[in-house]
Amino acid sequence: TQLLEQSPQFLSIQEGENLTVYCNSSSVFSSLQWYRQEPGEGPVLLVTVVTGGEVKKLKRLTFQFGDARKDSSLHITAAQPGDTGLYLCAKQGAQKLVFGQGTRLTINP
Amino acid sequence: DTEVTQTPKHLVMGMTNKKSLKCEQHMGHRAMYWYKQKAKKPPELMFVYSYEKLSINESVPSRFSPECPNSSLLNLHLHALQPEDSALYLCASSQGGSYNSPLHFGNGTRLTVT
Repeated sequence: TQLLEQSPQFLSIQEGENLTVYCNSSSVFSSLQWYRQEPGEGPVLLVTVVTGGEVKKLKRLTFQFGDARKDSSLHITAAQPGDTGLYLCAKQGAQKLVFGQGTRLTINP
Repeated sequence: DTEVTQTPKHLVMGMTNKKSLKCEQHMGHRAMYWYKQKAKKPPELMFVYSYEKLSINESVPSRFSPECPNSSLLNLHLHALQPEDSALYLCASSQGGSYNSPLHFGNGTRLTVT
């Protein structure tokens, strides 16, 4: 089984703080997708990273793909309550996407 | 608004009932998926249809029966479910029939089995 490990599993911080969540694998992956799932909704794709060392920015969110393509991180600057949700990374597996266990993020006003 | 529409949003059913979940997308995607999500867990893949043919069944019990009437529609027929089947059932689609393309999810059907 190609596992994706996400950390931390839970994170609760105050509005305005910065945070980073991580997604790691013991094997190389060709691309990685990040999704956010808000309460009562389905996951929504945030970004796909493909190239080792790649950095993508989406407003206050910065996504990085490790040089060795075994890890990725998501950094949020000045977190807002609207950032609350379950953050999932996903990579290619055998004929399907493999999801990590998720990071449940709560931003307190 | 999501481009993948699921109905109903909520469903309560007894263990002897038969019900169906419905999913529709009009993005021209050729792969459609059913996922099951329990509280505080990631989505778990159940079935994949590629070009209207069942391509993956993740050893799902036969009380769940998928159907793909056409390229835009996906159904999940439910019969004789157990209380532990209570979960959020998510439908998703992706382009080109590729299993690894980004997924577009619906908002799910929250199922409670009593």
